[in-house]
Amino acid sequence: DTGVSQDPRHKITKRGQNVTFRCDPISEHNRLYWYRQTLGQGPEFLTYFQNEAQLEKSRLLSDRFSAERPKGSFSTLEIQRTEQGDSAMYLCASSPTASGTGEQYFGPGTRLTVT
Amino acid sequence: GQQVMQIPQYQHVQEGEDFTTYCNSSTTLSNIQWYKQRPGGHPVFLIQLVKSGEVKKQKRLTFQFGEAKKNSSLHITATQTTDVGTYFCAGRISGGSYIPTFGRGTSLIVHP
Repeated sequence: DTGVSQDPRHKITKRGQNVTFRCDPISEHNRLYWYRQTLGQGPEFLTYFQNEAQLEKSRLLSDRFSAERPKGSFSTLEIQRTEQGDSAMYLCASSPTASGTGEQYFGPGTRLTVT
Repeated sequence: GQQVMQIPQYQHVQEGEDFTTYCNSSTTLSNIQWYKQRPGGHPVFLIQLVKSGEVKKQKRLTFQFGEAKKNSSLHITATQTTDVGTYFCAGRISGGSYIPTFGRGTSLIVHP
């Protein structure tokens, strides 16, 4: 399967702990996006990379959130000192630079539960 | 900030009935995309509309982009149980961020 993969698929953590998620985009895609989705809502943009450069971050992204894409391939999203409000599905998506349709390919997501 | 509003939030239909979801933006959009998310799944791209007044069809699905490029609709003719899911629009603001803003989605429930 050459789609977008995410790991882990589920994470349960206690409030105050740090968590890290990984996203492996489709191999030839140089754009990578992180979104957060809660029940009954659409995906909410968090941050965006083109190759290894983080080009945009949501103003809603607190200092506890950080993302990296060190070699322009996989990406990690870290949440420090988790809070119950961080409980959500974290979605990763990728797209090629020269995509006429602008299509984003989403991964299966990591569901985070903060207790 | 830019908002993309989508209505209705839920829609129950009998199999065979038609379905429409509407998307409205407070600002002019450069393009709009539509995605489908099955229960327990992730969003899957359906289509992108770019031109004012554009209409595109995919089998039973018809997508429209308004003349002012501030609204869009998705119409499904003769729904089937396989159409169940949440349909999201995602709009890119003209002259603004490359990143699309997603609406809240319309959840379609089809009763056999």
